[in-house]
Order: sequence, then C-alpha cells, then structure tokens
Amino acid sequence: EADIYQTPRYLVIGTGKKITLECSQTMGHDKMYWYQQDPGMELHLIHYSYGVNSTEKGDLSSESTVSRIRTEHFPLTLESARPSHTSQYLCASSESGRGGANVLTFGAGSRLTVL
Amino acid sequence: QQQVKQSPQSLIVQKGGISIINCAYENTAFDYFPWYQQFPGKGPALLIAIRPDVSEKKEGRFTISFNKSAKQFSLHIMDSQPGDSATYFCAASITGNQFYFGTGTSLTVIP
Repeated sequence: EADIYQTPRYLVIGTGKKITLECSQTMGHDKMYWYQQDPGMELHLIHYSYGVNSTEKGDLSSESTVSRIRTEHFPLTLESARPSHTSQYLCASSESGRGGANVLTFGAGSRLTVL
Repeated sequence: QQQVKQSPQSLIVQKGGISIINCAYENTAFDYFPWYQQFPGKGPALLIAIRPDVSEKKEGRFTISFNKSAKQFSLHIMDSQPGDSATYFCAASITGNQFYFGTGTSLTVIP
C-alpha cells in the first residue's frame, strides 16, 4: 500500500543532542515537504524538495537541515537540539503536475520533546 | 503575516447539527483551496477541495462554499457525527506548490 512513513513517532532527548527524523514515501512522488505543527498554529513549511539533490528552505526559519539523495527518502536533521525545537514535525509528499501536485499526503508525524 | 485566517478556533456541535468553519485569504493568486482533516495521532488528510472557478462543491455531507469577491471560503458539515470530531485545516496554494494553512479548528460533535 502506497504510504508515507515517519520515524520515530515520539522522541524525548536532552539539549545538545543530534537527532534525525526519518521520512520515506512509497508513492514515487517528486515533491516532499517538512512542516512544523504547534497547537493553535498554522502548519509552517520549514523545508521542501522538488526532486533528488534539490532542497529549499520554507517560510519558517529553522535550524534544521534536510537532504534528498533518493526520491523516496527525505530526512530532517537537527545538529544540536534545544528546547525551542520541541514541536510536531510532519512530512508530506505530492506528485508533480497540476492535478497531482494539489494533493498533499502527510505522514503521521514525529513529536519531538527537547528537555 | 498569516496568509489564511481561519475561525473559529474550536467548535462544539450536537450530533445531527451543521458544523461551519470559515476561512479568509488576501492573495488573489491562490488558485486551489483544500480542506484537511486531522485525527489525534494522525497526519492531516485531504477532505475536499475547490478551485475559484466554482462557488460550491459537495461531497457527501461535506460542502465547500466559495466567495471569490469576498475572498472567503467555508466548510459545512451536514448531519455532523461524533466520528467527525477532529481538527480541520483550510489551506490555499498557487498552482499546487507552496501551501498556506489556517490555524485549525477543533471540532467536537457530542452525541
């Protein structure tokens, strides 16, 4: 079944640790995104990629970095986590082209807590 | 600056009632307006969407009403059910690229 997977689902770590949030999709979508979601706030785009070896920063400034070495994989890394990074991180993907590009498929999210 | 403004923040509706969630935007270049539904512990999922060339779109109990001149659109859930209890996000995009989301509405349907 085509889907988008995020791991870990929940992560509690101490300040200063390096973390990587994994995101994989089996739909062959060219476009992938990372959103940050906080209670009562809109989803903020922090990174996106329109294909392999293509990554861009989104509207919300983030200290995280991403890579896109394979079409299906779009990991997000924080080199040194801080309490301000505590949030829910949502990965999404979409097809290229006018029709498919309008449907974002989201993963279940990774909830990060930095102590 | 928030591109899409959504209200109310929370909504409580009796089973069988009508739930109405409103959104407003400023950028007239937006050409696609989806609504996403999110259950606890899950990611948002596309519920229904509309393009600005139509004023209404209906899918089952869910209807989007779109007012281009007022730059507003709303989601109506008819015959609301407890299973509809979720958070609803409106969004807008230009040619299916960057999506701008509202702040979400937490809907509770009480039996």
